[in-house]
Amino acid sequence: GDSVTQMEGPVTLSEEAFLTINCTYTATGYPSLFWYVQYPGEGLQLLLKATKADDKGSNKGFEATYRKETTSFHLEKGSVQVSDSAVYFCALLPSSGSARQLTFGSGTQLTVLP
Amino acid sequence: KAGVTQTPRYLIKTRGQQVTLSCSPISGHRSVSWYQQTPGQGLQFLFEYFSETQRNKGNFPGRFSGRQFSNSRSEMNVSTLELGDSALYLCASSGQTGGGIYGYTFGSGTRLTVV
Repeated sequence: GDSVTQMEGPVTLSEEAFLTINCTYTATGYPSLFWYVQYPGEGLQLLLKATKADDKGSNKGFEATYRKETTSFHLEKGSVQVSDSAVYFCALLPSSGSARQLTFGSGTQLTVLP
Repeated sequence: KAGVTQTPRYLIKTRGQQVTLSCSPISGHRSVSWYQQTPGQGLQFLFEYFSETQRNKGNFPGRFSGRQFSNSRSEMNVSTLELGDSALYLCASSGQTGGGIYGYTFGSGTRLTVV
């Protein structure tokens, strides 16, 4: 079945550091890929998405490129801020089939220190 | 436009009781999905409703059920609550069944605590 593997956390960085959170997936065909962010006490917010190979999703300084050859969708940000502290989830949505559902990674807790 | 609204935000129930959670999707969205989030199991899919019909179901016992009304609002019911049902329950809406290619918009969740 489909699966998503995220790098284990927690990740602690200083403000203005470079961020990478690795995400790889297993799925047939060409799934859509997503990064969601969850702030304390809140639900999930869509951060960015990509729907086909080589697409780059971007939002709020975050970027991720859909790499079919390596089945990866790594999240990057050039300069993190304290306000970026949250849990980040990588997810996939299968490309076809009537019974589609989001499959999530286990989440990566990011803490940014001033 | 208004986002996905879940009520209540917090609930405390006793083992053996039942509970009903509510979700109002984004206006115009006809698909509503439910997810359970726990520290141990992460985010797990419960079920999806589209146009009042259950389209997909995850691997949860029959104590978990749901329904969708003609205005697309959805309710989720858990009967005979167990301590392990304590979780954040998230609702997500989409304009298409299966999320289309654009995925889902999530609500803020209902935090259920079973004591």
